[in-house]
Amino acid sequence: EDQVTQSPEALRLQEGESSSLNCSYTVSGLRGLFWYRQDPGKGPEFLFTLYSAGEEKEKERLKATLTKKESFLHITAPKPEDSATYLCAVGNMNYGGATNKLIFGTGTLLAVQP
Amino acid sequence: DAGITQSPRYKITETGRQVTLMCHQTWSHSYMFWYRQDLGHGLRLIYYSAAADITDKGEVPDGYVVSRSKTENFPLTLESATRSQTSVYFCASKGRGLEAFFGQGTRLTVV
Repeated sequence: EDQVTQSPEALRLQEGESSSLNCSYTVSGLRGLFWYRQDPGKGPEFLFTLYSAGEEKEKERLKATLTKKESFLHITAPKPEDSATYLCAVGNMNYGGATNKLIFGTGTLLAVQP
Repeated sequence: DAGITQSPRYKITETGRQVTLMCHQTWSHSYMFWYRQDLGHGLRLIYYSAAADITDKGEVPDGYVVSRSKTENFPLTLESATRSQTSVYFCASKGRGLEAFFGQGTRLTVV
């Protein structure tokens, strides 16, 4: 069964204190791993797509990496505006074909204190 | 502005009533999705559509109906609302890339 598990459930950081969020997954045929940011009362905002193990992508203070079993979202020198819930999702090439229906984790709630 | 919009943003309805949530996108994306988000479950797929007049069930379709007569619209109808359908509903669309783009959500409360 396809599964996505995110840890920790919640993380509190001081401004400037770097850390990483984890997304471990089991999927029969990976068709993309996706990171989203979700602010309270809003829809998920797309951040990154990773396609294969070894790939890395960066955006401002965020860097996403991918292995065959997990992905990390590294946050370098975070600021209070980075506070949000970060969601991880996978697409399964054997489930939905070109539709690419996504399987989501439950997210990590990040709070960055000034 | 181009994008994906949902309406209403908030809705309170009574058990047994029919309610329709609207979703409109201006990207001409082929694929559209409806998810619900509940504490402890994350986002779960209700229904999806690959094109106009093509729809299919997702993970939790019971109690919901969808239609897609036009590419840009994908309404979700709760035929007879139940308290277990109290949730936040998100519509999403996908073009040629793998990633989906989400609307702002509709918070539905069934009393």
